[in-house]
Amino acid sequence: DAGITQSPRYKITETGRQVTLMCHQTWSHSYMFWYRQDLGHGLRLIYYSAAADITDKGEVPDGYVVSRSKTENFPLTLESATRSQTSVYFCASSAIRQGGKLFFGSGTQLSVL
Amino acid sequence: EDKVVQSPLSLVVHEGDTVTLNCSYEVTNFRSLLWYKQEKKAPTFLFMLTSSGIEKKSGRLSSILDKKELSSILNITATQTGDSAIYLCAVEASGGGADGLTFGKGTHLIIQP
Repeated sequence: DAGITQSPRYKITETGRQVTLMCHQTWSHSYMFWYRQDLGHGLRLIYYSAAADITDKGEVPDGYVVSRSKTENFPLTLESATRSQTSVYFCASSAIRQGGKLFFGSGTQLSVL
Repeated sequence: EDKVVQSPLSLVVHEGDTVTLNCSYEVTNFRSLLWYKQEKKAPTFLFMLTSSGIEKKSGRLSSILDKKELSSILNITATQTGDSAIYLCAVEASGGGADGLTFGKGTHLIIQP
């Protein structure tokens, strides 16, 4: 089915471990985004990408790495997970840079123990 | 730094009531304001308001943008239990800076039967 899918849905890991969250979209949207959602903070932009091999930092990029070798995939890696990275992570995509609504994946709930 | 403030943060009403959710913003080079509804999973798009489209309506939901007051309201009439959700307000800026939307913390709306 067409859409935007994230995996895994739930992940428990330990501090210091590397974790990769996957995001895949089938619309061939140029723009992809990673947000984290925390109580008291709402949704905050981590990284975004305008096209394959083009990525840029958002509001809270520290501790995260992204890549986009193919248009449809936009993985987010926590290089050395910390407890403060416990959150719900949403991937989103958009066909155009501005004026287009975002389509969100179902989210990954990550717990760092 | 762009800023979006929503109020109230939470609201409990009875089925059939009318509710008004508020969103105020500070953004350089405002382009659009968007409303999303978030139930258990991903946020889903409701409305986008711009300078050329300051009022939108869909069924029992309506939204107005006040560019002079830098704010927007989301009205829901004859509320139903299915309207229970977190309602997110986001703004988009034009020009330079990070792509993506700046979100408020959301209003958690609970409709009691």
